[in-house]
Amino acid sequence: DGGITQSPKYLFRKEGQNVTLSCEQNLNHDAMYWYRQDPGQGLRLIYYSQIVNDFQKGDIAEGYSVSREKKESFPLTVTSAQKNPTAFYLCASSGLWDRVNYNEQFFGPGTRLTVL
Amino acid sequence: KNEVEQSPQNLTAQEGEFITINCSYSVGISALHWLQQHPGGGIVSLFMLSSGKKKHGRLIATINIQEKHSSLHITASHPRDSAVYICAPPISGSARQLTFGSGTQLTVLP
Repeated sequence: DGGITQSPKYLFRKEGQNVTLSCEQNLNHDAMYWYRQDPGQGLRLIYYSQIVNDFQKGDIAEGYSVSREKKESFPLTVTSAQKNPTAFYLCASSGLWDRVNYNEQFFGPGTRLTVL
Repeated sequence: KNEVEQSPQNLTAQEGEFITINCSYSVGISALHWLQQHPGGGIVSLFMLSSGKKKHGRLIATINIQEKHSSLHITASHPRDSAVYICAPPISGSARQLTFGSGTQLTVLP
């Protein structure tokens, strides 16, 4: 089955430690995205990548880093510079733009990160 | 940036009721996403529509591009429909980036 996987589902880290969240897709999608969700708020874009070896900052990129070495993978590192890292993180992907699907995004199950 | 307003923010209904969730946005767009977020956090894409109406089972989405308004309807609602429903139009000038509403929390009581 095609889809997006994120691991782990729950992640606990001590303050000051970097942590990397995994996102893998087997949908052959070109574009991948990382979002952050805080309680009662809408999703906010952290980083996105339209092709391999290229990525752009979203609205809240400070304290985060990404890489896109393979089409299937888009890991997100939450660094110690991120002031409030505890949140729910969602990864998504979409295919090439077309007139029918308009870049419909497909989401992974999310990783809930708690920094103690 | 595309400002998005959803109403109502919270909605409680009895099983079987017809549900309507509304979404208004500020910038003209070519298409709009409706998403469903389950209590565990996972998000499912319900619709991507650019005009008129789309129907999947008991869910119907409509959009009026000129009026910058979209609605999501649920017929014969069921407790398993309880979730947060999110409207997400594209960011102005971008075919790929989305702006997300804060969502409508729907609770359907048996």
